[in-house]
Amino acid sequence: EAGVTQFPSHSVIEKGQTVTLRCDPISGHDNLYWYRRVMGKEIKFLLHFVKESKQDESGMPNNRFLAERTGGTYSTLKVQPAELEDSGVYFCASSQTWSGRETQYFGPGTRLLVL
Amino acid sequence: DAKTTQPTSMDCAEGRAANLPCNHSTISGNEYVYWYRQIHSQGPQYIIHGLKNNETNEMASLIITEDRKSSTLILPHATLRDTAVYYCTGGYQKVTFGTGTKLQVIP
Repeated sequence: EAGVTQFPSHSVIEKGQTVTLRCDPISGHDNLYWYRRVMGKEIKFLLHFVKESKQDESGMPNNRFLAERTGGTYSTLKVQPAELEDSGVYFCASSQTWSGRETQYFGPGTRLLVL
Repeated sequence: DAKTTQPTSMDCAEGRAANLPCNHSTISGNEYVYWYRQIHSQGPQYIIHGLKNNETNEMASLIITEDRKSSTLILPHATLRDTAVYYCTGGYQKVTFGTGTKLQVIP
């Protein structure tokens, strides 16, 4: 069974440019999460999709970040325009909920560097 | 979500058991305790979870105290590949990672 995949693995862009990150969850997983770690800080939650709906977007830092999950399959996270402080590693995770428990499976991450 | 407290770092000799403690005194009665780890810069990896009873899988064992205010993750025979940051978390849905415990397995 394929795990969570993320694309690209690395991205280097200049301040003010736009970058789109993609996450393909494990097939059949309704839940999809985005997290990120900026340098020297803890991994922080960004948002949570259940199928195509945003369940919780309380962790999104500002309106330069836009996440979508059209059709409830893969998800994209767009940063427009990118700022220096957006540099970090962006992780995606997916899960299926049952009986009040939920194990999340994480992708390898996308390393974003904004210059 | 439950607030968790873990030691910042621990060392363990290769081949010995690594016991990683976690305090989660604010965990509610129906929240599971989850453990994840992050090896170097890879994506976090699920290890084990439990509610009240002790649990064991192919990776580790989880001992949860009767009052559920703390738990211990046990890696029975630590290897160099177990060097990682280990996170315990309580709650549902979004994972709150905290600072975790950096486990260094020493040859």
